[in-house]
Amino acid sequence: KAGVTQTPRYLIKTRGQQVTLSCSPISGHRSVSWYQQTPGQGLQFLFEYFSETQRNKGNFPGRFSGRQFSNSRSEMNVSTLELGDSALYLCASSLETQGTGSPLHFGNGTRLTVT
Amino acid sequence: SQQGEEDPQALSIQEGENATMNCSYKTSINNLQWYRQNSGRGLVHLILIRSNEREKHSGRLRVTLDTSKKSSSLLITASRAADTASYFCAPGGGNKLVFGAGTILRVKS
Repeated sequence: KAGVTQTPRYLIKTRGQQVTLSCSPISGHRSVSWYQQTPGQGLQFLFEYFSETQRNKGNFPGRFSGRQFSNSRSEMNVSTLELGDSALYLCASSLETQGTGSPLHFGNGTRLTVT
Repeated sequence: SQQGEEDPQALSIQEGENATMNCSYKTSINNLQWYRQNSGRGLVHLILIRSNEREKHSGRLRVTLDTSKKSSSLLITASRAADTASYFCAPGGGNKLVFGAGTILRVKS
């Protein structure tokens, strides 16, 4: 089975621009979560989608948004980029039906640099 | 889900030695997971232990869970250079997993 695929792997953007990151989950996984990882803040939960609905949300400004498609693929968008948005963005998929504790399967992330 | 706190922050050992890292949490949980992250890559799930389990093994990994002390430990036996990574615990389960700062393990060859 193919793992979680994130594209692109690296991205350089300018302050004020917007960016869209893509995540293809493992086949059969309906839950997709997004995390931001920075040296200063560590791993922070952005949001989780299940069957095209946002089920959980972290404490990020509205500039961060996401969506999930009917084939479970997910995208996240960051508008009006700031220097502090430079980070490794990780996507994870899971079989999780809430509360059962299925493991998360992570992609290798998209490294976003904002200049 | 809640954030676990890993201890120590960093650990440096020689190849072949055992490595032990700990995780503490605050409120009752259904399960606890451990993950590994190699530099610049995604996290890899190592093991899940449920609240009714005291100990679980997977290859060279041994995880214990003490729900009365709200703590867990991860033991890596006969460590290898390839075990060099950050290790995170995630108490509670569900998909809103919250990760702490992790333990950075360095295995010197």
